[in-house]
Amino acid sequence: QITLKESGPTLVKPTQTLTLTCTFSGFSLNANWEAVGWFRQPPGKALEWLALIYWNNEKRYSPSLTSRLSITKDASKNQVVLTMTNMDPVDTATFYCAHRMRYCTPTICHKFFDYWGQGTLVAVSS
Amino acid sequence: EIVMTQSPATLSVSPGERATLSCRASQSIDSNLAWYQQKPGQAPRPLIYGASARATGIPARFSGSGSGTEFTLTISSLQSEDCAVYYCQHYHNWPRTFGQGTKVEIK
Repeated sequence: QITLKESGPTLVKPTQTLTLTCTFSGFSLNANWEAVGWFRQPPGKALEWLALIYWNNEKRYSPSLTSRLSITKDASKNQVVLTMTNMDPVDTATFYCAHRMRYCTPTICHKFFDYWGQGTLVAVSS
Repeated sequence: EIVMTQSPATLSVSPGERATLSCRASQSIDSNLAWYQQKPGQAPRPLIYGASARATGIPARFSGSGSGTEFTLTISSLQSEDCAVYYCQHYHNWPRTFGQGTKVEIK
C-alpha cells in the first residue's frame, strides 16, 4: 500500500525559503519509472503542478516557478524534498505530494497521480 | 503551455440524475487526460485516466469520454457522496496543467 505524507512549517515569513518533505512508503524511488510530484492549492482555488522527480534523478519544474523551485530525493530515506525560495503571501496554499503512476499498454503510457498525501497548509505572513 | 478549461463552474443536479462535466484543452492532448475528485479538506482522488479508463475502485457510475481537445466526465446517477470539485489534468507534455474545476452540488 502506497502512502505519502507532507511535513514542514505551517508559517513562513515573506522572502524566506520554504522547505517541505514528502515521506513515502509502499514503493521505492530507486525502482525504474517511479516518480513523485509536488502540487499546491491556494485556499478556494484550483490545483497547480509544481515539480516532479524521477527515479533516475531527472527533474521537471513548472516554467512559471522554475527559478524558485528545487526538488531533490533521498531514496534511502524514502523522501522527496521541495524548496521554494522568496516566499510571498500569494504563495499561501496547501501543498501536496503525490506518487506518479505509469501504466503502459502496447500503444500508450498513462502517467497520472494515483496516491496523494493529505496535504500541508503553509501560510506566508510577517 | 496547454490551457485546460472546465465548464460549468458549478453544476446543481438532483439525486439520481445525470451530471455532465466538460473539459477543453487549448491544443490536442490525444487521450492523455485524467479526472480527479476533491472533497472539502481532502486530497484529490483519481477517477479517470486515459480519458476513459476508471481508476482502481472507482464506481461504474463515473465514466469519461473524448479525445483531442474535448472531454466529458459523466456521473450517471448522482449520489450525495459525489458532491465535490472535479478537476481535469492533462499529461500530454510539460508542464502538466489542471482545469479550474467544476463544483458539483445536490439540487
